[in-house]
Amino acid sequence: NSKVIQTPRYLVKGQGQKAKMRCIPEKGHPVVFWYQQNKNNEFKFLINFQNQEVLQQIDMTEKRFSAECPSNSPCSLEIQSSEAGDSALYLCASSLSNWGQDTQYFGPGTRLLVL
Amino acid sequence: GDSVTQTEGQVTVSESKSLIINCTYSTTSIAYPNLFWYVRYPGEGLQLLLKVITAGQKGSSRGFEATYNKETTSFHLQKASVQESDSAVYYCALGHTNTGKLTFGDGTVLTVKP
Repeated sequence: NSKVIQTPRYLVKGQGQKAKMRCIPEKGHPVVFWYQQNKNNEFKFLINFQNQEVLQQIDMTEKRFSAECPSNSPCSLEIQSSEAGDSALYLCASSLSNWGQDTQYFGPGTRLLVL
Repeated sequence: GDSVTQTEGQVTVSESKSLIINCTYSTTSIAYPNLFWYVRYPGEGLQLLLKVITAGQKGSSRGFEATYNKETTSFHLQKASVQESDSAVYYCALGHTNTGKLTFGDGTVLTVKP
């Protein structure tokens, strides 16, 4: 069973508000991925880190999202100005490496609702 | 880009019957992607069911199995005899070899009737 911890489990924000969610990866996993799963069950990769460094991110993440994985602190994903279309389940996963054969272990997710 | 297609959004099967959930993939960026099946049981998080990283190989777990077929670009999930406890949402995923980024299918909701 995965030991990835995500908080909060649910988040409700108004449009334009900041929304911040956190992730504690499994112990010993230096790589963290963030995915967004929308109401149509479609997954979208957002960003990944190795230790504190960004490995890859999509355009959307660069513009309105900010993310970090500071040393000895939880990783976080923050939406600067929430939009209705951001309502989704945000999943954090951790892995031993960013090599494709290593399994990603997922947390339970943070469900964001933007009113 | 990469894509994964699961043709069945919902599947209903009677207990003890056989199951197949179809998955095909497409990739323009990697010759040999890694292939995964993840499952989400009711009230639980996404967890790995099985994975295969070598074309032609078969993976198995909990009675499920899937074969990585590079010729047909398929990775269908099969089980000979399903149980009610197998009711869940199953996701096929393609993993990029160099970046680890996962591309998921839209999922198949499996309902097993007693």
